[in-house]
Amino acid sequence: KNEVEQSPQNLTAQEGEFITINCSYSVGISALHWLQQHPGGGIVSLFMLSSGKKKHGRLIATINIQEKHSSLHITASHPRDSAVYICAVSWRDDKIIFGKGTRLHILP
Amino acid sequence: GAGVSQSPRYKVAKRGQDVALRCDPISGHVSLFWYQQALGQGPEFLTYFQNEAQLDKSGLPSDRFFAERPEGSVSTLKIQRTQQEDSAVYLCASSYVDGGAGTQYFGPGTRLLVL
Repeated sequence: KNEVEQSPQNLTAQEGEFITINCSYSVGISALHWLQQHPGGGIVSLFMLSSGKKKHGRLIATINIQEKHSSLHITASHPRDSAVYICAVSWRDDKIIFGKGTRLHILP
Repeated sequence: GAGVSQSPRYKVAKRGQDVALRCDPISGHVSLFWYQQALGQGPEFLTYFQNEAQLDKSGLPSDRFFAERPEGSVSTLKIQRTQQEDSAVYLCASSYVDGGAGTQYFGPGTRLLVL
């Protein structure tokens, strides 16, 4: 059974701080997804990666396949980044397992 | 273009009532997923369609839950004899590739409350 663990569960930071959210999983995967969920439920896919590193604006996602670990970084954080960030892994063709999410609150 | 849409956005049902939740995926997307998200939790996989074929329904919590996608486009998730524990947000996502290794585009969800 694949488990997805995220840390921290909750994170409050000041505007401008560098943010790191971690995700670890227990078995081999075909892809890892980082998702953003704002209050009200809408989920947006931020990244899908299977190796290395991806960058989009102030967001950076990295994955280490050997260590079964991924990180999502936010540089120069802003209050509008406040949301729940969810890590999800794809394995065995169609199975997708989600983490419980990290609730991020950026203070102005 | 249009994203994934779901209807209704909110549904209040009396315990024992049947409900039907609709998902309109992005046109041309092969894969369609249904997820259930309880309050404060991450989404949990319910079922997966590749075109009209339901390839995996291992996440459906009971035989009261039934999903279909008869023409490989719109999908309906039906819950019979609803129970209070069915209260959750039901999310639909579609992807242009087979399986779970493609970028998923999520609908806004249907928030179901069973009284």
